[in-house]
Amino acid sequence: NAGVMQNPRHLVRRRGQEARLRCSPMKGHSHVYWYRQLPEEGLKFMVYLQKENIIDESGMPKERFSAEFPKEGPSILRIQQVVRGDSAAYFCASSPSNHQPQHFGDGTRLSIL
Amino acid sequence: DQQVKQNSPSLSVQEGRISILNCDYTNSMFDYFLWYKKYPAEGPTFLISISSIKDKNEDGRFTVFLNKSAKHLSLHIVPSQPGDSAVYFCAVNGVGTGGGADGLTFGKGTHLIIQP
Repeated sequence: NAGVMQNPRHLVRRRGQEARLRCSPMKGHSHVYWYRQLPEEGLKFMVYLQKENIIDESGMPKERFSAEFPKEGPSILRIQQVVRGDSAAYFCASSPSNHQPQHFGDGTRLSIL
Repeated sequence: DQQVKQNSPSLSVQEGRISILNCDYTNSMFDYFLWYKKYPAEGPTFLISISSIKDKNEDGRFTVFLNKSAKHLSLHIVPSQPGDSAVYFCAVNGVGTGGGADGLTFGKGTHLIIQP
């Protein structure tokens, strides 16, 4: 039973480029969450999605960031025109329904040159 | 303004003894509490959870205690083992967390070191 799969594990981008982070939830899980962790900090909630719907994006910056979870395929977190401050670890989690434990992937480490 | 506080950045415990990790929260509306363990370069691993209708939940070596009046949560690990060395995060869920009703709000973590 595969866990939450995130790719790539490491991503390097230059300022102004686009970053695309992918997440495949655990089998049977229809709820996907994205979090960001800055150095020496806890994880910060960004967005909560179900298939084809954004349920809550209250933690996501209003500009340059977007997320989707299409009917087929993985969830995608997209960051356009990246800046140095976007450098962080981005974690995806999934759960079978809300108010159940969320299970995390191993993250994507994004580095901006 | 932190809604979930883990005031000890690190904790050192001898192997075989009890490890006690603490967490304080600010909002009495929080209704679901979780502990995660994290190794470097890996994602958090779910350990144990408790809902606000309970004050204790136990799973093997791990026990979580919830004191709602004090808005305090603790994780007990007994006996502590070398593989328990990791960063432990407290997380909460519920209306007013800032993570929406469903996103988790995390503390900054406590680095637990088990000494042989």
